[in-house]
Amino acid sequence: TQLLEQSPQFLSIQEGENLTVYCNSSSVFSSLQWYRQEPGEGPVLLVTVVTGGEVKKLKRLTFQFGDARKDSSLHITAAQTGDTGLYLCAGGETSGSRLTFGEGTQLTVNP
Amino acid sequence: DAGITQSPRHKVTETGTPVTLRCHQTENHRYMYWYRQDPGHGLRLIHYSYGVKDTDKGEVSDGYSVSRSKTEDFLLTLESATSSQTSVYFCAISLQGPMNTEAFFGQGTRLTVV
Repeated sequence: TQLLEQSPQFLSIQEGENLTVYCNSSSVFSSLQWYRQEPGEGPVLLVTVVTGGEVKKLKRLTFQFGDARKDSSLHITAAQTGDTGLYLCAGGETSGSRLTFGEGTQLTVNP
Repeated sequence: DAGITQSPRHKVTETGTPVTLRCHQTENHRYMYWYRQDPGHGLRLIHYSYGVKDTDKGEVSDGYSVSRSKTEDFLLTLESATSSQTSVYFCAISLQGPMNTEAFFGQGTRLTVV
């Protein structure tokens, strides 16, 4: 099983600040997905990146896939209280149909 | 709403009893997955299916079995529940496999084994 490590595990910031969440592995993934999960709900997909070096922007969120397809980052600009949630990265394994998740980053944006 | 229904949503059961969780989809997606979510571990894959009667093990499959007799239903059975299986269980579906398309998740089943 290919492993993904997320950091930090917990992040508490003030509204308006910027932040970056990291997702790292020693393995190569065919794709990397980022999900956001709210309490009592299942994760919801934010973005999928498939090409090494790829950068995708979703409003204030910027996602990057590492050149070697082993790592990814999520950057949020000017965080809002509505960004609060659990952010999960997930890698599509090159060998089959599995989607491997990181442990998650619990983000709290304070007003 | 991705057309995924998990049942039950909450269950308390005793150690040693069998438990079956159901995932029902209305999307006709080929792939279905069962994950468990525990603090500090993220989502861990238990079993998955890539078609009717086609299933495979995930990373934490011990103590669990699955069945998929119809495209729309994927059942997860805890053969003899243990306290370590207390968790939140999520079902997910995807059209072509997680590398190619979005995975949609159900709302989860909170299982407590006492």
